[in-house]
Amino acid sequence: AQTVTQSQPEMSVQEAETVTLSCTYDTSENNYYLFWYKQPPSRQMILVIRQEAYKQQNATENRFSVNFQKAAKSFSLKISDSQLGDTAMYFCAFMKLGNYGGSQGNLIFGKGTKLSVKP
Amino acid sequence: ETGVTQTPRHLVMGMTNKKSLKCEQHLGHNAMYWYKQSAKKPLELMFVYSLEERVENNSVPSRFSPECPNSSHLFLHLHTLQPEDSALYLCASSQEWSAVQYFGPGTRLLVL
Repeated sequence: AQTVTQSQPEMSVQEAETVTLSCTYDTSENNYYLFWYKQPPSRQMILVIRQEAYKQQNATENRFSVNFQKAAKSFSLKISDSQLGDTAMYFCAFMKLGNYGGSQGNLIFGKGTKLSVKP
Repeated sequence: ETGVTQTPRHLVMGMTNKKSLKCEQHLGHNAMYWYKQSAKKPLELMFVYSLEERVENNSVPSRFSPECPNSSHLFLHLHTLQPEDSALYLCASSQEWSAVQYFGPGTRLLVL
């Protein structure tokens, strides 16, 4: 069975600085997706970034980038130029792909990291 | 309305009550999901519907009963719940091939 571990329950960062959130996972699968989702206080979960396991290049979305180390089963999220609006719970998630490349829908989440951006 | 909506946003119910949670997606997706989010625990997938057929049921107690009448609507019928069922219940949808799930705002449920 797959598991996702986020070892940092809480983190804080000063506005405009850079912060890295850690995530490790355990799987015997070779084809899968990894995600970072963000859940602001009292607001809905939104996708931050996605990484396909078969891609060696790390995904980037504006100020958000990942460091994907497949052999180490590590998937960290780097937030550059942190903004007050980045304050949220961040969840790392894993999804294996089906036999024919389609997803099977079973997102496995970590427990989350609560990030606070301080002015 | 855009995206994924859920009603009600908050619900308080007694253990003998019957209530239903509603989810609606306006994204043209063909898969929908129910998740349970409890404090200090990872999100737990409860049910998956693909093309209106249930494809996943992660050993959820029978006091939770899902219904998917069409690809845009998903219900979670609740009866004789327990206090430990108090949680945030999230609905999500996806276009099955895309793997990206879009979440609703959730229903905060309190069972007394």
